[in-house]
Amino acid sequence: DIRMTQSPSSLSASVGDRVSFTCRASQSITTYLNWYQQKPGKAPKLLIYAASSLQSGVPSRFSGSGSGTDFTLTITSLQPEDLAIYYCQQSYSTPWTFGQGTKVEIK
Amino acid sequence: QVQLVQSGAEVRKPGASVKVSCQASGFTLSNSGVTWVRQAPGQGLEWMGWISVQNEYTDSAPKFQGRVTLTADRSTNTASMELTSLRSDDTALYYCARKVDHYDSSGYDLGSAFDIWGQGTMVTVSS
Repeated sequence: DIRMTQSPSSLSASVGDRVSFTCRASQSITTYLNWYQQKPGKAPKLLIYAASSLQSGVPSRFSGSGSGTDFTLTITSLQPEDLAIYYCQQSYSTPWTFGQGTKVEIK
Repeated sequence: QVQLVQSGAEVRKPGASVKVSCQASGFTLSNSGVTWVRQAPGQGLEWMGWISVQNEYTDSAPKFQGRVTLTADRSTNTASMELTSLRSDDTALYYCARKVDHYDSSGYDLGSAFDIWGQGTMVTVSS
């Protein structure tokens, strides 16, 4: 199985800040990497697919980058509604696997 | 409105089985895959398996092989997941989601993602 490791496990930032967090795969997954946002008490929501493609309807302050084993999700100007846990997920090979999540808190 | 609507919460005893359904509205599942993901209380997301509604191909995580059955009914636009031999650590929120395949303008495969999610079904396993 491909292991996905996210860091940090949590972060706290102020509204308007630029925040980034990473996801590392245990082997190369080229760009078969998706990012999801899960707000408290809600189902996950697809933000980014194929490492850097923005899902329709997702604000442009979200962006993804990376290839191979290292990936980054960036929020250019953090908003109060971005309070959530963010998960990466590889679709390179089954069993598809998720990272453990990065919890974003607002200061 | 494009959505997946899941069946209601379930309580089962250890050793029993549970079947969760997932009905699509606003789109047809026939052209899609449906994946199942679970989330134990306070924990992360765990992929269980997926089914191609078009040809009923299924693939499941090794952890669940032999215990999980994925089915789809095109006539009712519904997918289902049955989990048997339940244990207390199967207590979780179970989600279905639509699996979509992405391609670039050249037809290059960009991989799969889960773009529409159900609201989740809580399954509690307790004696």
